[in-house]
Amino acid sequence: AQKITQTQPGMFVQEKEAVTLDCTYDTSDPSYGLFWYKQPSSGEMIFLIYQGSYDQQNATEGRYSLNFQKARKSANLVISASQLGDSAMYFCAMREGSGTGGFKTIFGAGTRLFVKA
Amino acid sequence: KAGVTQTPRYLIKTRGQQVTLSCSPISGHRSVSWYQQTPGQGLQFLFEYFSETQRNKGNFPGRFSGRQFSNSRSEMNVSTLELGDSALYLCASSLGQGSELFFGSGTQLSVL
Repeated sequence: AQKITQTQPGMFVQEKEAVTLDCTYDTSDPSYGLFWYKQPSSGEMIFLIYQGSYDQQNATEGRYSLNFQKARKSANLVISASQLGDSAMYFCAMREGSGTGGFKTIFGAGTRLFVKA
Repeated sequence: KAGVTQTPRYLIKTRGQQVTLSCSPISGHRSVSWYQQTPGQGLQFLFEYFSETQRNKGNFPGRFSGRQFSNSRSEMNVSTLELGDSALYLCASSLGQGSELFFGSGTQLSVL
């Protein structure tokens, strides 16, 4: 069963505007972590931001913030003041315990963001 | 501090062959995970190693295997290659099993 859902295959945003990338998740584990990664056309995956399931406040990292709504199981990424260099694929991910003592991080299908000049 | 290093960067193989991919994690990171990325399936978890032990495995056939050495370096092996194994294979390391992942640039495998 798909546990990370990103419903926006592609998004356009005007340079200098804010954009929200949606992510919903499903887990029965009370302890989990939510991540956002950026993958430019060069292929490398870049960690952006992390939110723990017990964190009371929304995570922020520079121009990135995570809108965490636990009851709705959503973890949307907000990018403020978009820049041309923000054009990339964005992945929402969730880390959860496997029950065997290990963890695994699973990824959504991604949202491709295009920033227009 | 050096990042995650994956070798080789590109690889071309034919069906039926086997391949070994290498991953050197960030110094001090003991957890290494492997992912397969394809346009159709996205990022699929292969396996995770921590302190030389495989702690978790994704839903892949037994042709996919891996190991981790005492210096935390990891290798992934795919035997009897199939056309569908063509993908970008990404390795990621983390400080602990629950920490954020730091990815290498990947190995682009093409099976002809």
